[in-house]
Amino acid sequence: EVQLVESGGGLIQPGGSLRLSCAASGFTFSNYDMHWLRQPTGKGLEWVSTIGTAGDTYYPGSVKGRFTISRENAESSLFLQMNSLRAGDTAVYYCARGNAGGWFDPWGQGTLVTVSS
Amino acid sequence: DIQMTQSPSTLSASVGDRVTITCRASQSINSWLAWYQQKPGKAPKALIYKASSLESGVPSRFSGSGSGTNFTLTISSLQPDDFATYYCQQYNSYWTFGQGTKVEIK
Repeated sequence: EVQLVESGGGLIQPGGSLRLSCAASGFTFSNYDMHWLRQPTGKGLEWVSTIGTAGDTYYPGSVKGRFTISRENAESSLFLQMNSLRAGDTAVYYCARGNAGGWFDPWGQGTLVTVSS
Repeated sequence: DIQMTQSPSTLSASVGDRVTITCRASQSINSWLAWYQQKPGKAPKALIYKASSLESGVPSRFSGSGSGTNFTLTISSLQPDDFATYYCQQYNSYWTFGQGTKVEIK
């Protein structure tokens, strides 16, 4: 069974840092692009970052320069290092596998990040 | 950036109704569009990819159509399990989502 399990969320003060992890199983991790997405409570979905199979990375302007995506293929793991966190980064963060150019399936269950003093 | 606009934002319907949700892209995305279903407290689930291809395991009452800038998701006969929020997502240029359509019980 293909499965993604996120961890590392929690309460963090503005300006702080947090590292999220995503453990993948049930597929050949190194063969797939991987993504982070987020969803503020009661709001819509937002793409956060992408890492390709060759290690190429992509970010939207809202997180570029603050967030860093990485992967460890030997461990089938995906990471998101989040620095200079703001209240607006508060959300449930999901990891997702990329398919055939860019639709997401499956998704993990999500991990909640709360940025507040 | 490509903007995705869904309509309506909320839709009230009854079991057995035919339901259509519309998604419009701010520029052509060819057929690089996916649809997702999300229930409260759960992660989104892929329904449709490449505008009209049904994801494995998804009931055939779901269908997608369109290309270029205009797309639709249709549920041919709404079932109790289908009351949820639906999102479109383009993957022609990076990745962006529509704002969502909540399908609620009439």
